[in-house]
Amino acid sequence: DIQMTQSPSSLSASVGDRVTITCRASQGISNYLAWYQQKPGQVPELLIYAASTLQSGVPSRFSGGGSGTDFTLTISSLQPEDVATYYCQKYNSAPLTFGQGTKVEIK
Amino acid sequence: EVQLVESGGGLVQPGGSLKLSCAASGFTFSGSAMHWVRQASGKGLEWVGRIRNKANSYATAYAASVNGRFTVSRDDSENTAFLQMNGLKTEDTAVYYCARFDEIALVPTPNWGQGTLVTVSS
Repeated sequence: DIQMTQSPSSLSASVGDRVTITCRASQGISNYLAWYQQKPGQVPELLIYAASTLQSGVPSRFSGGGSGTDFTLTISSLQPEDVATYYCQKYNSAPLTFGQGTKVEIK
Repeated sequence: EVQLVESGGGLVQPGGSLKLSCAASGFTFSGSAMHWVRQASGKGLEWVGRIRNKANSYATAYAASVNGRFTVSRDDSENTAFLQMNGLKTEDTAVYYCARFDEIALVPTPNWGQGTLVTVSS
């Protein structure tokens, strides 16, 4: 099975900073990758699918990139409401594995 | 408005069984695959399994951790998906979510239920 590895596991940044999270697949998955945001005590929310397509209603400061095995989620200007854990998920075939998550905090 | 409502969670002893339901509304259920995802307290998201739609032969798939113990099914006439859990272990304790996957566009959707808590303990 394909493994999904996110880095870093956690990060702390200042409001307005540019933040980048990386997700690496152990084998190529084309662009079948989604990113989710989960705030404490809440249900995960879909941010991006097809590696770079922004889900409707998601702020434009979020962007995704990559293809094959290496992917990124970028927050162009970190806001206080972005404090959350972010997960990548492959969906090219089962099992639809998640990354282990990246916790984003405000410095 | 799309709604996914899970039910059936609760306390069960190790080795026991439980069946979760996910009642769907507000979208074409027959055009969707239904997935189950779980999250243990303080831990990350773990994909559990899925069932595709009739056009895709109701194909099922499972995570290795639950394969042979859990079964995903659906009733398109009732717009409901199910997760039958047998041989439960303490490590199966988690909040279980159902989520919709668009079988037409072949993409995940933002539609998740609120989750139902399963506690496996003696």
